[in-house]
Amino acid sequence: KAGVTQTPRYLIKTRGQQVTLSCSPISGHRSVSWYQQTPGQGLQFLFEYFSETQRNKGNFPGRFSGRQFSNSRSEMNVSTLELGDSALYLCASSWSGGAGGYTFGSGTRLTVV
Amino acid sequence: KQEVTQIPAALSVPEGENLVLNCSFTDSAIYNLQWFRQDPGKGLTSLLLIQSSQREQTSGRLNASLDKSSGRSTLYIAASQPGDSATYLCAVPFSGAGSYQLTFGKGTKLSVIP
Repeated sequence: KAGVTQTPRYLIKTRGQQVTLSCSPISGHRSVSWYQQTPGQGLQFLFEYFSETQRNKGNFPGRFSGRQFSNSRSEMNVSTLELGDSALYLCASSWSGGAGGYTFGSGTRLTVV
Repeated sequence: KQEVTQIPAALSVPEGENLVLNCSFTDSAIYNLQWFRQDPGKGLTSLLLIQSSQREQTSGRLNASLDKSSGRSTLYIAASQPGDSATYLCAVPFSGAGSYQLTFGKGTKLSVIP
């Protein structure tokens, strides 16, 4: 079966711009989570969506937002980009979150210049 | 709050050696524990998922154990190969606000020398 698909793979943006990242989960999975990975902070939880509802949000500023569509595909948006937003953004798919384990996508590498 | 620690942070071994990676967590009330592999600049590949009711899981040359009471898990890699070189991460789901989020360790960077 198809895995988790994240697009685009790479992005270069300028400070102050905004960016949208996309994640298509495994077919049948209703939970999509987003994580930010940086060398200094490791993997940090951004938010989780389940059936188009945000169920949980990590400790990130309001510039980070997301949504989930009826087909479970999810997007995350970062507005007013800062240099510190440069990171690998990973999307994780699961059937319901928690018990069944998670499958990750290949990530989107965002560079802010 | 769940905290996950992985020791060592880096490990270098000659090809063919058996090795053990360690993961410890502070809150033993976990549903499961998952081991991942990450190659440089890539996403996470799930290696093994151990449910809280299980003690071990095996996949090929990999064997993961879980001891909830002591808050520990180990990943055993038999007959290591250069292709095993990667960063290995363990993660546990942390329950909050009606959903789960994974709490990760910082990882162990493994180098297998030919």
